[in-house]
Amino acid sequence: DTEVTQTPKHLVMGMTNKKSLKCEQHMGHRAMYWYKQKAKKPPELMFVYSYEKLSINESVPSRFSPECPNSSLLNLHLHALQPEDSALYLCASSQDSYPGYEQYFGPGTRLTVT
Amino acid sequence: QQQVKQSPQSLIVQKGGISIINCAYENTAFDYFPWYQQFPGKGPALLIAIRPDVSEKKEGRFTISFNKSAKQFSLHIMDSQPGDSATYFCAAANTNAGKSTFGDGTTLTVKP
Repeated sequence: DTEVTQTPKHLVMGMTNKKSLKCEQHMGHRAMYWYKQKAKKPPELMFVYSYEKLSINESVPSRFSPECPNSSLLNLHLHALQPEDSALYLCASSQDSYPGYEQYFGPGTRLTVT
Repeated sequence: QQQVKQSPQSLIVQKGGISIINCAYENTAFDYFPWYQQFPGKGPALLIAIRPDVSEKKEGRFTISFNKSAKQFSLHIMDSQPGDSATYFCAAANTNAGKSTFGDGTTLTVKP
């Protein structure tokens, strides 16, 4: 099973809402990532978890809060977002702790902030 | 400063033709170079990857050519098919620093 699943597929939220994005993989990977992708742009790295510990935070605003409850799950908690945060949020996983190794991406959550 | 430059931005190829996408990098610490394919509304999917100790890697219709001295690498898609129409991203990673850098992407259209 080489699948990374993400829920929900689509999310519309107001600027005062709190919501969470979920990601799951069962490949035994020990590194998991959150990326943000705007239309017609490459994915931008947000966070990296290695062995369930946050190892990279790319200076992401605190309105985004990641969480890794266990080696298979990754959450992204959202609060007080801005319209410019609307984007496709991608989760990925890899076998090693660095993105240099093969990354498997999920289908993404399309987020719209109104 | 853009660390990975990808060209062209868009590419139109006839069915059966060869699609070529090029990337150039500056950071000599990069030691892993993957290519991703992304269809609209989907996440990127790893196509093929190469390490700098080899000059070429082929998987089916997809080939990566790597020129370490020129700090360039390219993706060749042989016998291009309409189903190959997608956005392609090159990337470069420093496996010690733990980060990947993506190129800006190339939108490939293969005409039937």
